[in-house]
Amino acid sequence: GAGVSQSPSNKVTEKGKDVELRCDPISGHTALYWYRQSLGQGLEFLIYFQGNSAPDKSGLPSDRFSAERTGGSVSTLTIQRTQQEDSAVYLCASSLEPRLGNYNSPLHFGNGTRLTVT
Amino acid sequence: KNEVEQSPQNLTAQEGEFITINCSYSVGISALHWLQQHPGGGIVSLFMLSSGKKKHGRLIATINIQEKHSSLHITASHPRDSAVYICAVINTGNQFYFGTGTSLTVIP
Repeated sequence: GAGVSQSPSNKVTEKGKDVELRCDPISGHTALYWYRQSLGQGLEFLIYFQGNSAPDKSGLPSDRFSAERTGGSVSTLTIQRTQQEDSAVYLCASSLEPRLGNYNSPLHFGNGTRLTVT
Repeated sequence: KNEVEQSPQNLTAQEGEFITINCSYSVGISALHWLQQHPGGGIVSLFMLSSGKKKHGRLIATINIQEKHSSLHITASHPRDSAVYICAVINTGNQFYFGTGTSLTVIP
């Protein structure tokens, strides 16, 4: 399909295990964002990739969270030693390259990965 | 203090009513997004604004950069407009700040 694809759509894991979440952005989109939405909470920004530049990791909640983006396309978000508070829907969005002062690149969201840590 | 404040938090309207959702922010921004999240959880980007006004069908979004305020208007509201509407701003470092959302219910 032509949209942002995330996998898996659902993931149940035991506390302490590591998980990997995948995001395939729209082809040609250089900007990629990860967010999460905990139950009953608003959206929380996690990390932003622009092309092959070093990512902005300022939103990652702890050092158990990491993300990479290979070849400027597919991204994986890794959560090590998962905790119950990591349970949330993890959303990925992509857009064309944002340009300061000339922002005309809408976001396209994936359907998210629902992570449940038991 | 949240960087992005939305009002109202909850809104119930009769079908056909004109609806306004407000968003105020405190950070310097590159752009502002209005997002729509349906009960199933999927999120759609409705508008991206850096100035002025945009219109798409029955939806209108405005932004006043000097006042750090944006509004989303829905004309002739319909039950299918029922969703959570989220205001999100992007600062000059391309970091996102989200409002907590406005839950809209349109009654037939």
